[in-house]
Amino acid sequence: QSALTQPPSASGSPGQSVTISCTGTSSDVGGYNYVSWYQQHPGKAPKLMIYEVSKRPSGVPDRFSGSKSGNTASLTVSGLQAEDEADYYCSSYAGSNNVFGTGTKVTVL
Amino acid sequence: QVQLVQSGAEVKKPGASVKVSCKASGYTFTSYYMHWVRQAPGQGLEWMGIINPSDGSTSYAQKFQGRVTMTRDTSTSTVYMELSSLRSEDTAVYYCARDQRYDFWSGSIDYWGQGTLVTVSS
Repeated sequence: QSALTQPPSASGSPGQSVTISCTGTSSDVGGYNYVSWYQQHPGKAPKLMIYEVSKRPSGVPDRFSGSKSGNTASLTVSGLQAEDEADYYCSSYAGSNNVFGTGTKVTVL
Repeated sequence: QVQLVQSGAEVKKPGASVKVSCKASGYTFTSYYMHWVRQAPGQGLEWMGIINPSDGSTSYAQKFQGRVTMTRDTSTSTVYMELSSLRSEDTAVYYCARDQRYDFWSGSIDYWGQGTLVTVSS
């Protein structure tokens, strides 16, 4: 199972929006509505930001939103804040398997 | 509150095995699948496998088939991950992590252990 493809980096100024893509195949992203997104700050465990493509866990700001089209999922962070600077990973259920994305470093300029 | 507490850091020689434990509390242990995920220094997240604490059934990533064994002890609400034939590339932080859905493997992880650093060096 190959890793899902994400851009290595993304950036935006405070208040702007940034969108991260996550490309897989019909065997993972395209085949199931079980795409998740995680935020990871240096030295910390990942934190669940989005599950089941577009649902937000309790406590996650509504600035974070998810979507999916075909084999590509996306995470959008609106109204960027300094604390959003982190690594972001997508993940997908893949039928008796799970796969993570390659990760995207988001920089707040 | 949900807590996953892992065992401490390990240093192993190439060819050896390591067994990491993860003690769960704050929820019904047998009702949520547990994943194991690792992260090499400066690298991304890598899914290793999953165990159903209810019946002990497992599913492993193809990359680790034959080298990894995941078990559980329901009497102590603890899951274990053993990795054998260690090589330097196995140096990483290993996380246990609970699946979000009740009695279902959804792939979404809502709680993570603190991580266990395993260093493989001669």
